[in-house]
Amino acid sequence: DAGVIQSPRHEVTEMGQEVTLRCKPISGHNSLFWYRQTMMRGLELLIYFNNNVPIDDSGMPEDRFSAKMPNASFSTLKIQPSEPRDSAVYFCASKGAETQYFGPGTRLLVL
Amino acid sequence: GENVEQHPSTLSVQEGDSAVIKCTYSDSASNYFPWYKQELGKRPQLIIDIRSNVGEKKDQRIAVTLNKTAKHFSLHITETQPEDSAVYFCAASKRASSASKIIFGSGTRLSIRP
Repeated sequence: DAGVIQSPRHEVTEMGQEVTLRCKPISGHNSLFWYRQTMMRGLELLIYFNNNVPIDDSGMPEDRFSAKMPNASFSTLKIQPSEPRDSAVYFCASKGAETQYFGPGTRLLVL
Repeated sequence: GENVEQHPSTLSVQEGDSAVIKCTYSDSASNYFPWYKQELGKRPQLIIDIRSNVGEKKDQRIAVTLNKTAKHFSLHITETQPEDSAVYFCAASKRASSASKIIFGSGTRLSIRP
C-alpha cells in the first residue's frame, strides 16, 4: 500500500505565479481532503470531496484557490496568482468508511 | 456547527511521568474518535482511535477514554519518553459515513523534559 501520494514535496515560486499541487488518494477511498497548515492558523480544512464531488469548500480562502477531482485517483489544488501569505504546508488526506490518512504534504514557499 | 475543543494547547512533562490531553465535542451523533500524532516536519499519523460503543482502549503506553454522556474524550500517555514529544490532535466524526468529514481539535504541543 503506497499510501496517499502528493507532489511536489517542495515548491518555491515567486509571487504572482500559478501553483498546482497534486494528490493521489489511497485506492478504494472515496473521500479526499485538502488541508493547509501554518504555525499561526494551525491545521485548516480547505475543501473535501466525496465520490469525486466537492462537498464542502467553505474553507477555501478566496477565489485564487481552486480544487478539482476529475477521477477517483487524482486531485489538484491550484493557487493562481500565488501570494507570500499562501506559504504553508499543504496536506492531502483520504478516507474510506472510517479512518483518514494524510499524505506527506507539499511545503510551499511563495517569495 | 460541529466543533472539537482540545486542552491544553501546550504541555510539558518530566520524562517518565504521565501526560493527559482532553477534548470535548459538540455533535452528539459523533461516534468515532481518532487521535493523531504529528512529529516536527512530518504528517499527522493515526496513533489510536475509539468508537462510541467502547469506554476505554489501551495500546501499550497510550490509552483513550470516552464519556459519551459528557461528550468528553481523553488521551493518556504513561511513562513518557523523549520520542513522545510532538503535536497531538484529537478528532471526531460519524463512523461509516464516508461523506462526513473528521473535525479536528486545535492540537496540543507535548514536550518531554529529560
